[in-house]
Amino acid sequence: GENVEQHPSTLSVQEGDSAVIKCTYSDSASNYFPWYKQELGKRPQLIIDIRSNVGEKKDQRIAVTLNKTAKHFSLHITETQPEDSAVYFCAASTKAAGNKLTFGGGTRVLVKP
Amino acid sequence: EADIYQTPRYLVIGTGKKITLECSQTMGHDKMYWYQQDPGMELHLIHYSYGVNSTEKGDLSSESTVSRIRTEHFPLTLESARPSHTSQYLCASRGDLGQTSYEQYFGPGTRLTVT
Repeated sequence: GENVEQHPSTLSVQEGDSAVIKCTYSDSASNYFPWYKQELGKRPQLIIDIRSNVGEKKDQRIAVTLNKTAKHFSLHITETQPEDSAVYFCAASTKAAGNKLTFGGGTRVLVKP
Repeated sequence: EADIYQTPRYLVIGTGKKITLECSQTMGHDKMYWYQQDPGMELHLIHYSYGVNSTEKGDLSSESTVSRIRTEHFPLTLESARPSHTSQYLCASRGDLGQTSYEQYFGPGTRLTVT
């Protein structure tokens, strides 16, 4: 089955700097890659997603890039703010697995003011 | 408003008790999921369903069971609660490719403590 690895597990950045989280996946048939943000005590919420027919997608300060050949995708947060502090999860899914999401282990991001 | 709901939000219960965690969604999604998550840690899939009368075990071995008699309802039952079941349980639902939203939505979670 699909395996998703996420790095780093923790990330501390200064306010205003950029943060990058990287994920690798094992199933070359994976075709959908969402990123979720989970604030303390709250449910995970989708912040951006990308499909396998697109190499990059941007939404204001966040962007995701996908390299299908290398089987990795990354989340980029620019001009970080204290409210970006949260745990971020990447995920991948394939049609063959019923589109079930396989999640990475999570990255705890701390933005220091 | 279309959403996904979980009850109870918090539950403290003694060892050996039978409990059912409720999950309902009003988004018309066929796919529903149960995850176990310690705060801020990995999401472990314990059960999922692709529609009415469809249930599958997830990646994490669990002593719980689920049922899917109605599209909108996906309850999770623990026949005999143990302290090792102490965790947060998140329900989720998802649309299909081709629907207006392919996003997987999570419920607010049930925080379970077994004493």
